[in-house]
Amino acid sequence: GAVVSQHPSRVICKSGTSVKIECRSLDFQATTMFWYRQFPKQSLMLMATSNEGSKATYEQGVEKDKFLINHASLTLSTLTVTSAHPEDSSFYICSATSGGAAGQETQYFGPGTRLLVL
Amino acid sequence: AQSVAQPEDQVNVAEGNPLTVKCTYSVSGNPYLFWYVQYPNRGLQFLLKYITGDNLVKGSYGFEAEFNKSQTSFHLKKPSALVSDSALYFCAVRDAGGATNKLIFGTGTLLAVQP
Repeated sequence: GAVVSQHPSRVICKSGTSVKIECRSLDFQATTMFWYRQFPKQSLMLMATSNEGSKATYEQGVEKDKFLINHASLTLSTLTVTSAHPEDSSFYICSATSGGAAGQETQYFGPGTRLLVL
Repeated sequence: AQSVAQPEDQVNVAEGNPLTVKCTYSVSGNPYLFWYVQYPNRGLQFLLKYITGDNLVKGSYGFEAEFNKSQTSFHLKKPSALVSDSALYFCAVRDAGGATNKLIFGTGTLLAVQP
């Protein structure tokens, strides 16, 4: 149980285009989803937290107009990188929780999406 | 503020030997502690967590971790390492009394198990 998928697993795009990444919880309802960015050989940087049906909460320094997050259902959240540039190239990982006692729930992670902007 | 420290960038161990990956934390209240493992170009897999109760927590793949409140540590251990355990390990903490459910991750420790 607790499987999270991401699509696509890898994407290469030209500078200036927009890229959408999907995150799905396959066998549970995700009340909260998180989006992270990971640079090579570094830890995960939380970008934003999204709750189903409400606006995402972005971390300090993350441009909300650049990284659009939509959490339209309890099983799907999307991250759109708008007008992507080479510096946006990274490994993007989502995670999801199914709720439960506040703070005790486990985050289950997707396999990640490798974005390369040329 | 919450923080997590993984003092070792890399741990090397021979197959069959016991392994320890260190983690210390800092929170203002009680901690919820987690260990995750990441294989190359993959997302993180949940190994185990400490919420309350028994200080020794057993998790997936034979891993366990011991919560030590006085030393503010949550070291990951396994009695006998396998080559397939070679991966990047992350410790994470959440403040039980915090206003958010965000996890704070350590910088990761690369475990290399030699055959």
